[in-house]
Amino acid sequence: QKEVEQNSGPLSVPEGAIASLNCTYSDRGSQSFFWYRQYSGKSPELIMSIYSNGDKEDGRFTAQLNKASQYVSLLIRDSQPSDSATYLCAALFSGNTPLVFGKGTRLSVIA
Amino acid sequence: ETGVTQSPTHLIKTRGQQVTLRCSSQSGHNTVSWYQQALGQGPQFIFQYYREEENGRGNFPPRFSGLQFPNYSSELNVNALELDDSALYLCASSLSPAGDYGYTFGSGTRLTVV
Repeated sequence: QKEVEQNSGPLSVPEGAIASLNCTYSDRGSQSFFWYRQYSGKSPELIMSIYSNGDKEDGRFTAQLNKASQYVSLLIRDSQPSDSATYLCAALFSGNTPLVFGKGTRLSVIA
Repeated sequence: ETGVTQSPTHLIKTRGQQVTLRCSSQSGHNTVSWYQQALGQGPQFIFQYYREEENGRGNFPPRFSGLQFPNYSSELNVNALELDDSALYLCASSLSPAGDYGYTFGSGTRLTVV
């Protein structure tokens, strides 16, 4: 069973703090990982992709991948109230399978 | 360059009816995937179309069917609607079936079955 697991939250952080979102996946052979942001009632929006071990930074966002531990994380620095949304972790597993999503973590940034 | 567009945005149907949802893929994308997202859940894969052929299917019954047209737009058809079919239906397009550059999602169709 190819799965992506996330803590559903809610995760509450004060404005300006670092929000840390975590995700684990079941298939060690997975190659590609994505973080999507989804505002309530809206569609998912791709914010980060990561393919190799280590960190990848884009503005206030940093994705971290540890393939040995089958673990992906997303750090949001200087969190803003506008970052309040559900964050979906997704993985492309080996064997030409479709994108598999976790259930999402709801983030609330408190002003 | 246009993104992924879906229609209609909202729909209310009665149990037992049939529904067709439509999707236009992003320019240059030849692969379309459909997902169902129930409230509070992550998107669940329904099926994928690549060059007008079904290229993969999730754990959904045969009453969920689809089409892809030569211009890569797509339809999702659901027959004999059930109350549990109420969800946000998302269409996503990608540059290839592997999807390793990511999927671009449309704004979704909110289906309510009463």
